[in-house]
Amino acid sequence: DIQMTQSPSSLSASVGDRVTIPCRASQNIGAYLNWYQQKPGKAPKLLIYAASSLQSGVPSRFSGSGSGTDFTLTIIDLQPEDFATYYCQHTYTTPVTFGGGTKVEI
Amino acid sequence: QVQLVQSGAEVKEPGASVKVSCEASGYTFISSHIHWVRQAPGQGLEWIGMINPRGGSITYAQTFQGRVTMTRDTSTSTVYMELSSLRSEDTAVYYCARVRSGATRDFDFWGQGTLVTVSS
Repeated sequence: DIQMTQSPSSLSASVGDRVTIPCRASQNIGAYLNWYQQKPGKAPKLLIYAASSLQSGVPSRFSGSGSGTDFTLTIIDLQPEDFATYYCQHTYTTPVTFGGGTKVEI
Repeated sequence: QVQLVQSGAEVKEPGASVKVSCEASGYTFISSHIHWVRQAPGQGLEWIGMINPRGGSITYAQTFQGRVTMTRDTSTSTVYMELSSLRSEDTAVYYCARVRSGATRDFDFWGQGTLVTVSS
């Protein structure tokens, strides 16, 4: 199975900050990498698909980059509503796996 | 608009089975695979498996092989996930999610989640 590693598991930031969240795959997954945001008590929400494509309706302060094994989610000008947990996910093959999540805290 | 509406919360005793439904609307049901993902309290996301509503083909995560059954009813645009031999570690929120049509395979719409509590 392909392992997805997110580190750190949490980070502290302030409103207006630029935040980068890394994700590493245990083998080459091309661009089959997606990013989700999850808030407490809610289902995950798709932010970025295919490594760098912005999902419709998602603010442009979110962006994704990378290919192969190393990927990054970047949030510029962090807003209060962005404090949440972010998960990367590969869909290169089954089993689909998720990273452990990175919680962005104030 | 695309919606996935799941059945309500369940409380089950250890050893029992639970069947969670996911009713799709707002798109052509057979055009997109449906995946199931669970999240234990305070934990991350765990993939359970997927079903192709068009032909009914299924892939399960090895962790759940032998305990999970996924089915679909095309007449009601509903998929089901049944988990048997429940244990306390199966206490979690269970989500269904739709795969976007095309080559990217991302999960673009999710159900609201169903809390399954396993307790004696």
